[in-house]
Amino acid sequence: NAGVTQTPKFQVLKTGQSMTLQCAQDMNHEYMSWYRQDPGMGLRLIHYSVGAGITDQGEVPNGYNVSRSTTEDFPLRLLSAAPSQTSVYFCASSYSPFPSWNSPLHFGNGTRLTVT
Amino acid sequence: GENVEQHPSTLSVQEGDSAVIKCTYSDSASNYFPWYKQELGKRPQLIIDIRSNVGEKKDQRIAVTLNKTAKHFSLHITETQPEDSAVYFCAAIITNTGNQFYFGTGTSLTVIP
Repeated sequence: NAGVTQTPKFQVLKTGQSMTLQCAQDMNHEYMSWYRQDPGMGLRLIHYSVGAGITDQGEVPNGYNVSRSTTEDFPLRLLSAAPSQTSVYFCASSYSPFPSWNSPLHFGNGTRLTVT
Repeated sequence: GENVEQHPSTLSVQEGDSAVIKCTYSDSASNYFPWYKQELGKRPQLIIDIRSNVGEKKDQRIAVTLNKTAKHFSLHITETQPEDSAVYFCAAIITNTGNQFYFGTGTSLTVIP
């Protein structure tokens, strides 16, 4: 298994540009999520999904869209990039729709995004 | 929603000494508390976790303790080694009904050889 795969690893955007961060998992996980990591702020949940066709907002959803058309993929779309979206983005998944001790979170390697 | 606070934000210890990182949570319904280690430029990885029906859990040099009454839990690393240098995150979640992990803000641990 490849686990959780994120692409690209690095991206530079100009303000106002749009792009999609890709996340794919090959573990048949029901739960997928996107976090952003900023210095001094830990990991903050952007959006999550408990199965194909189902998405919901996390703590910081503004400026981001997601969709879950398949179990494997959970792309994160930046509609109009802003400097405040400069961050490291992590995708994470778990087998159960309710992550727990027997269904822990597995993280991807992250995407470092810079918006100028 | 849940609020998880983590202290200290940075911690330096001499190799061989112990390190303790503390977290508090606000929602008494939270019942699962994992700890993640993130090495520089890498992904967060689960190192140990504890459920609310357990007061302490150990795995070799690391241990986690939980005080449900006070709503705080701690990570203890004994006999620290340079490879323990990393950022550590605590988290809390309500299992079976909750879909959101709430993470602390992280502790950057440096072990000085």
